[in-house]
Amino acid sequence: AQSVTQPDIHITVSEGASLELRCNYSYGATPYLFWYVQSPGQGLQLLLKYFSGDTLVQGIKGFEAEFKRSQSSFNLRKPSVHWSDAAEYFCAVGGSGNNDMRFGAGTRLTVKP
Amino acid sequence: NAGVTQTPKFQVLKTGQSMTLQCAQDMNHNSMYWYRQDPGMGLRLIYYSASEGTTDKGEVPNGYNVSRLNKREFSLRLESAAPSQTSVYFCASRQQSYNEQFFGPGTRLTVL
Repeated sequence: AQSVTQPDIHITVSEGASLELRCNYSYGATPYLFWYVQSPGQGLQLLLKYFSGDTLVQGIKGFEAEFKRSQSSFNLRKPSVHWSDAAEYFCAVGGSGNNDMRFGAGTRLTVKP
Repeated sequence: NAGVTQTPKFQVLKTGQSMTLQCAQDMNHNSMYWYRQDPGMGLRLIYYSASEGTTDKGEVPNGYNVSRLNKREFSLRLESAAPSQTSVYFCASRQQSYNEQFFGPGTRLTVL
């Protein structure tokens, strides 16, 4: 069965520093991979997605993620974090079926001034 | 386009009370979903509807019922609320071709 692991529950970075959020997945076929962001009190917004092709995908707000099949990973990166990036980030894996999307437990990002 | 809308935004219930959470989407998506979000557990699927007229159980369906009223609307009903159902509930709809899910703003439910 598919699953997603986000090893870091909470990460704190300084504003302007680089960021990497980890995501490992288990999926039987070629997965569709997603990163969502949830600001406090808000719903989930899609940051980026991977379906096929180039393994480095660009998203909104300056985020990118790299799909590494050999490591079953889809880590999210940003070169320079802004205070407004403080939020919770969810990695998700799925396929083309109606009921095969699975979400990680989330990583909460705190940004220090 | 409003995307996915949910009502109400907040609700407090007493144990044993019933209520219905409403969800609507204006993106002409076939599939719709109800999730609950609890700290440290991510999102867990309660029920989903692959198309108008069909509904199926997800990971945590006990204590809930759903109705796919039409293509736009998908409601979630708690018949007899329990404190364990205190959570944030999200509705989502799915774009078939890219498998991307679009989320509503959520309903924050407290059961006392």
